[in-house]
Amino acid sequence: GAVVSQHPSRVICKSGTSVKIECRSLDFQATTMFWYRQFPKQSLMLMATSNEGSKATYEQGVEKDKFLINHASLTLSTLTVTSAHPEDSSFYICSAKSPRDRGSNQPQHFGDGTRLSIL
Amino acid sequence: DAKTTQPPSMDCAEGRAANLPCNHSTISGNEYVYWYRQIHSQGPQYIIHGLKNNETNEMASLIITEDRKSSTLILPHATLRDTAVYYCIVTSGTYKYIFGTGTRLKVLA
Repeated sequence: GAVVSQHPSRVICKSGTSVKIECRSLDFQATTMFWYRQFPKQSLMLMATSNEGSKATYEQGVEKDKFLINHASLTLSTLTVTSAHPEDSSFYICSAKSPRDRGSNQPQHFGDGTRLSIL
Repeated sequence: DAKTTQPPSMDCAEGRAANLPCNHSTISGNEYVYWYRQIHSQGPQYIIHGLKNNETNEMASLIITEDRKSSTLILPHATLRDTAVYYCIVTSGTYKYIFGTGTRLKVLA
């Protein structure tokens, strides 16, 4: 089936640094990718929709200057957490839609997430 | 806000069928029902989706009521590896997912 890969799976860094997370669709081209954040014992919260070749669409309350999204190719989207602080520590997950599935109702396929810990 | 409501938790004996309900009373005509599950510290895994007809695949069956206001995911023979949080999502095919709180299924030996 469709595979979405995230890298790194885990990152620990000091407060104030910027962290880049990559999301790749390995066996299909994804014009749209999505970024989610999940805090412990909570559900996934959609942060933004990443569109290849255009600006990302951010959900209400998500700071676009804090969470920079780049979708420069049909197989790669990146999320950069700028000047990260301890409150940004979370589980970040991306997803993409495979064009191989039938029609426009194809399901999103998720990566295995990146656990970000800011000290 | 999520358009679905699910019970927060359920238990199921290993080898028995697990029936997970989902209410989506405000579903629109062009919206599909998607089911995913999330095992601890992993990304959600796609299970099945449908519009109005019942669906079955190698993982599960999806039963959608005739008025489409609710659905049930059926895992026919639950195993310990099926212990996870199960999410029911309603959305049109090209739109974004809004996750609810899901159902935490625990399969008991």
